[in-house]
Amino acid sequence: DAGVTQSPTHLIKTRGQQVTLRCSPKSGHDTVSWYQQALGQGPQFIFQYYEEEERQRGNFPDRFSGHQFPNYSSELNVNALLLGDSALYLCASSLGTGGPEKLFFGSGTQLSVL
Amino acid sequence: AQSVTQLDSHVSVSEGTPVLLRCNYSSSYSPSLFWYVQHPNKGLQLLLKYTSAATLVKGINGFEAEFKKSETSFHLTKPSAHMSDAAEYFCVVRVGRDYKIIFGKGTRLHILP
Repeated sequence: DAGVTQSPTHLIKTRGQQVTLRCSPKSGHDTVSWYQQALGQGPQFIFQYYEEEERQRGNFPDRFSGHQFPNYSSELNVNALLLGDSALYLCASSLGTGGPEKLFFGSGTQLSVL
Repeated sequence: AQSVTQLDSHVSVSEGTPVLLRCNYSSSYSPSLFWYVQHPNKGLQLLLKYTSAATLVKGINGFEAEFKKSETSFHLTKPSAHMSDAAEYFCVVRVGRDYKIIFGKGTRLHILP
């Protein structure tokens, strides 16, 4: 049983570009949450998708957007990249709503913006 | 506003000695608190959780944490460190519905042989 898989594992972009990160949830899970972890910091909640809709959002600008597909996989899109967007982006999946103890995290996508 | 503060960015202990990772929280009501561990190139893993039941919470791999309301603390401990415990540890508080949580800045645990 595969866990949460994220692709790509590493990515290099330049300022102003757009990027799409992908996440496949653990089998049987229907909810995906995204987090940004800057170097030396703890992860910060970006948003959560459930039933193909954004259900909750953290304090991130509209440049950050997402999508959830009928198969529950999800994409994170970031437009007009800034140097400060360089970070490890983590995806976590779960079944339905509930507490953080239900989250299964992927290993992340390391994004470098030059 | 709810928040957590991890008091040490790095902690070094010798193998076989006790581990103490400190976390203080700020909350206007009884919080839900968690500890997560992050090994290199691996996903975050839940160690333990506190949700207003017993104040002493036991987790996986021999870790435990004690919720102390009077001190607003939720420190993580382990009686005897193992080399495999070397990792980044995060104290986490739940701030909203479901999965809206705030992580502390993390404590890097180093185990000396």
